[in-house]
Amino acid sequence: KQEVTQIPAALSVPEGENLVLNCSFTDSAIYNLQWFRQDPGKGLTSLLLIQSSQREQTSGRLNASLDKSSGRSTLYIAASQPGDSATYLCAVVNTGGFKTIFGAGTRLFVKA
Amino acid sequence: NAGVTQTPKFQVLKTGQSMTLQCAQDMNHEYMSWYRQDPGMGLRLIHYSVGAGITDQGEVPNGYNVSRSTTEDFPLRLLSAAPSQTSVYFCASSPWTGDQETQYFGPGTRLLVL
Repeated sequence: KQEVTQIPAALSVPEGENLVLNCSFTDSAIYNLQWFRQDPGKGLTSLLLIQSSQREQTSGRLNASLDKSSGRSTLYIAASQPGDSATYLCAVVNTGGFKTIFGAGTRLFVKA
Repeated sequence: NAGVTQTPKFQVLKTGQSMTLQCAQDMNHEYMSWYRQDPGMGLRLIHYSVGAGITDQGEVPNGYNVSRSTTEDFPLRLLSAAPSQTSVYFCASSPWTGDQETQYFGPGTRLLVL
């Protein structure tokens, strides 16, 4: 059974710092991996989607990497801003299925 | 496009009552799904559909029913609400074709079962 773990559960950093959020999964047979952002009381917004054949995706200050063999993905946020404060969720879809498995998320707070 | 819409935004039920959570999307997406989110946990898949007339169970389907009569709508039914179903419910949709598998989420429905 696929399990997705995100470390740390919470993170507080000063504005301007570069940071890395971690996601690990137990079954390497994934179809894709997606990073989402969730603001308090809101729905989820997709940030980056990495196909199983890809190693990384970039969007602005965000870079997500994928290492299937080790069951890990990282989300790198450059030059963090207070507006980046939110919960970041990692989710995987296993090969051959339509079921998405989510991690519990990392709550990020960027201090001005 | 309105994207993914959910109604109601908030609902209070008594144990044993039934209700339907509505979800609609105007992006002509084939894939739709329902999740629940509990404090300190990620989202858990309840049911999903890969097209009109086709539904399947997710991780936590017990106590919930779904149907998909049109591409646009994917309602979630609670037949007899229980306090354990107190949660925030999210609906999502996706084209799920080729490399277009990004999921788009609605704003959520907060459900309290007393």
